[in-house]
Amino acid sequence: RKEVEQDPGPFNVPEGATVAFNCTYSNSASQSFFWYRQDCRKEPKLLMSVYSSGNEDGRFTAQLNRASQYISLLIRDSKLSDSATYLCVVNRDSSASKIIFGSGTRLSIRP
Amino acid sequence: GAGVSQTPSNKVTEKGKYVELRCDPISGHTALYWYRQSLGQGPEFLIYFQGTGAADDSGLPNDRFFAVRPEGSVSTLKIQRTERGDSAVYLCASSLDSSSNSPLHFGNGTRLTVT
Repeated sequence: RKEVEQDPGPFNVPEGATVAFNCTYSNSASQSFFWYRQDCRKEPKLLMSVYSSGNEDGRFTAQLNRASQYISLLIRDSKLSDSATYLCVVNRDSSASKIIFGSGTRLSIRP
Repeated sequence: GAGVSQTPSNKVTEKGKYVELRCDPISGHTALYWYRQSLGQGPEFLIYFQGTGAADDSGLPNDRFFAVRPEGSVSTLKIQRTERGDSAVYLCASSLDSSSNSPLHFGNGTRLTVT
């Protein structure tokens, strides 16, 4: 079983729709959590950190459920430019060394 | 300011050859990471440097892979006796420090093809 698991998709949704991704992690000692975005043939870029109380950044909302060991990302009013692969990232100890990426969820927004 | 710079952007080599991949992190970033990414997969952790020392090299797949960061800035990933299975995009990332909330900043990667 992979340490960080994501539904690979692809999710194909119309512009303006709301879409949600989940990610599960296996190590209960994991300390911090992130969502990264990766465009085709580009490097990953930080989208947002995920805080225990949940956090929002514009159209994006991230939530963490430590008891069930999953992280979610919600995108509201999706735009064509949101088409990308979304990577769930877990730092599984107190140092920065054990940063583990999920395989990513592909999102395609259609006009 | 300048981001993470990786060279070359593409490298094609024959099976059995030796290659070096270079990473120039963001100035002032003490932590440096190497990842490898295959098509359809997320980045796979290889090695992490804090300053000059390799703090965690548990992701290196075997002893053909080695990385250095002699002055705590530029890092070189070295692959000996390359195999076709080594073909992937090699990503370097740096972060300001080693705290768990310090985000990673990635370079554009080196696409390695072993023929």
